[in-house]
Amino acid sequence: SAVISQKPSRDICQRGTSLTIQCQVDSQVTMMFWYRQQPGQSLTLIATANQGSEATYESGFVIDKFPISRPNLTFSTLTVSNMSPEDSSIYLCSAPQVAGGPETQYFGPGTRLLVL
Amino acid sequence: QKEVEQDPGPLSVPEGAIVSLNCTYSNSAFQYFMWYRQYSRKGPELLMYTYSSGNKEDGRFTAQVDKSSKYISLFIRDSQPSDSATYLCAMRDTGGFKTIFGAGTRLFVKA
Repeated sequence: SAVISQKPSRDICQRGTSLTIQCQVDSQVTMMFWYRQQPGQSLTLIATANQGSEATYESGFVIDKFPISRPNLTFSTLTVSNMSPEDSSIYLCSAPQVAGGPETQYFGPGTRLLVL
Repeated sequence: QKEVEQDPGPLSVPEGAIVSLNCTYSNSAFQYFMWYRQYSRKGPELLMYTYSSGNKEDGRFTAQVDKSSKYISLFIRDSQPSDSATYLCAMRDTGGFKTIFGAGTRLFVKA
């Protein structure tokens, strides 16, 4: 299975600022996914990031608020812009299984964000 | 109505018990069914994966899918304190990687 790392692991930010989360996969993948997991709730897909094209955002999420970069096949960033306390959550990146195995997703350890 | 329903628990059992975790869903197009385990302060890790209907066993874990009832289950035999975690069901259709997750069931196994 792919090994996925994220930075930072956690952060405390002030209202109105922005935070960029980095996601690194140890092998090349076509798609990467960004999720939000709020306390006691399910994982919600924010967007799908494909290398070489604009990210595809899910309903309720917009590029101005959550800009995404995908400069190559192993790396992606998610920025949480103009943050408010409602953005406090765990942000997870994910990538599909690369070679062999089931067609499913593997997750990074998550970035725990607290906005004051 | 949510596409995937999962009882959030918490579920507390003694060590050695058989645990049954369940999800129901509404979308008959779902073909891939997964169970993820998430320890506190960690990302979800894939535990079991099933395509279409039937059973799949892996050690102490058994996944069942009943598509006619739109119901999936995960059984844990001889539960251990190390099984204490949140278990998320997940499913998707064959049209891509968009996966729908349940809310997760918190499980506590007491020594």
